[in-house]
Amino acid sequence: KAGVTQTPRYLIKTRGQQVTLSCSPISGHRSVSWYQQTPGQGLQFLFEYFSETQRNKGNFPGRFSGRQFSNSRSEMNVSTLELGDSALYLCASSLGRRQGQETQYFGPGTRLLVL
Amino acid sequence: KQEVTQIPAALSVPEGENLVLNCSFTDSAIYNLQWFRQDPGKGLTSLLLIQSSQREQTSGRLNASLDKSSGRSTLYIAASQPGDSATYLCAVVIQGAQKLVFGQGTRLTINP
Repeated sequence: KAGVTQTPRYLIKTRGQQVTLSCSPISGHRSVSWYQQTPGQGLQFLFEYFSETQRNKGNFPGRFSGRQFSNSRSEMNVSTLELGDSALYLCASSLGRRQGQETQYFGPGTRLLVL
Repeated sequence: KQEVTQIPAALSVPEGENLVLNCSFTDSAIYNLQWFRQDPGKGLTSLLLIQSSQREQTSGRLNASLDKSSGRSTLYIAASQPGDSATYLCAVVIQGAQKLVFGQGTRLTINP
């Protein structure tokens, strides 16, 4: 089975722009979660989608949004980019049947640099 | 608010040693605890998942234990190898949410 894939792997943007990141989960997985990793804050939960609905949300501003499609692929959007948004963005997938009780499998991440 | 702490932040040992990485969490109301490894610039690889009702899990040279009442978990690595060099992260899942709360990680270096 193919693992979790994320595109693009690297992105450079300037302040004020917006960006869209994509995540394709493992086949059969219906839950997709997004995390931000920075040297200062570590790994922080952004949100989780299951069956095209946002099921859980972290403490990030409204500039961070996401969606999930009927094939379980998910996108994350960040609008009005700030320098502090520079980070490695990771997505993780799981079956989603037993919320909170399943192994989550991570993709390789998208490294975003905001100049 | 759930907080996860990992000690030490960095560890360097010679090849062949057995070692223990520590993880503590403040709220015992968890679904499970998961250990990951992360190689530089890469994503996370799941190593072991311990459900809240379990005491330990083993996979090859790795053994993870969980003491929910005291809010502690340990990851034991036997006969360490240079390929084990990575950052090891523990994370707990809060009851009622599909959300991992991570520690800051232990950066492990195994010297040949």
